[in-house]
Amino acid sequence: DTGVSQNPRHKITKRGQNVTFRCDPISEHNRLYWYRQTLGQGPEFLTYFQNEAQLEKSRLLSDRFSAERPKGSFSTLEIQRTEQGDSAMYLCASSLKADEQFFGPGTRLTVL
Amino acid sequence: KQEVTQIPAALSVPEGENLVLNCSFTDSAIYNLQWFRQDPGKGLTSLLLIQSSQREQTSGRLNASLDKSSGRSTLYIAASQPGDSATYLCAVSENSGYALNFGKGTSLLVTP
Repeated sequence: DTGVSQNPRHKITKRGQNVTFRCDPISEHNRLYWYRQTLGQGPEFLTYFQNEAQLEKSRLLSDRFSAERPKGSFSTLEIQRTEQGDSAMYLCASSLKADEQFFGPGTRLTVL
Repeated sequence: KQEVTQIPAALSVPEGENLVLNCSFTDSAIYNLQWFRQDPGKGLTSLLLIQSSQREQTSGRLNASLDKSSGRSTLYIAASQPGDSATYLCAVSENSGYALNFGKGTSLLVTP
């Protein structure tokens, strides 16, 4: 068990570019969550999957954001046409059924 | 909408002191509550999970209590050490497997 991993750890991009982040959950965890955290704030929920099904999306998840979890394994979060307001830490978590959530190290996005 | 508040926002104590961090939530119909630790620029580390039917959980020098009816939880840290310096986040889940609602955290500094 290597824990939740996220790649890349850091991403710097120019406004208007598209970016994609990857999350690999703890093996056999069927639930996967994406959160966004800005400086001085707690994480805010974006979306979550049970296996490959995306069950809930926050109103924070605008049309420019899309998430997938093919085959119920790893997940990707894509942001199209990035804006400066997208700069944040993007955190992924996984859980087994309804148990405690375990978080990855996060991907820090900076939009110039 | 569930609101989670953590008091104080920041706390500085000398090494060896026992301390209490507070968390309150507006809707008592929660499924579980989790306490996390976050080091600067890092992901979240799960400390304790309390199910709604439980009153407290203990792990080493940490003890978390839950009073669901009054919408409060406390995290007690015994014999604090400089290595405990971090931000502590409280989060509640309103249903089985649902997303977590986080407070803004308490930033703790333990001085030698």
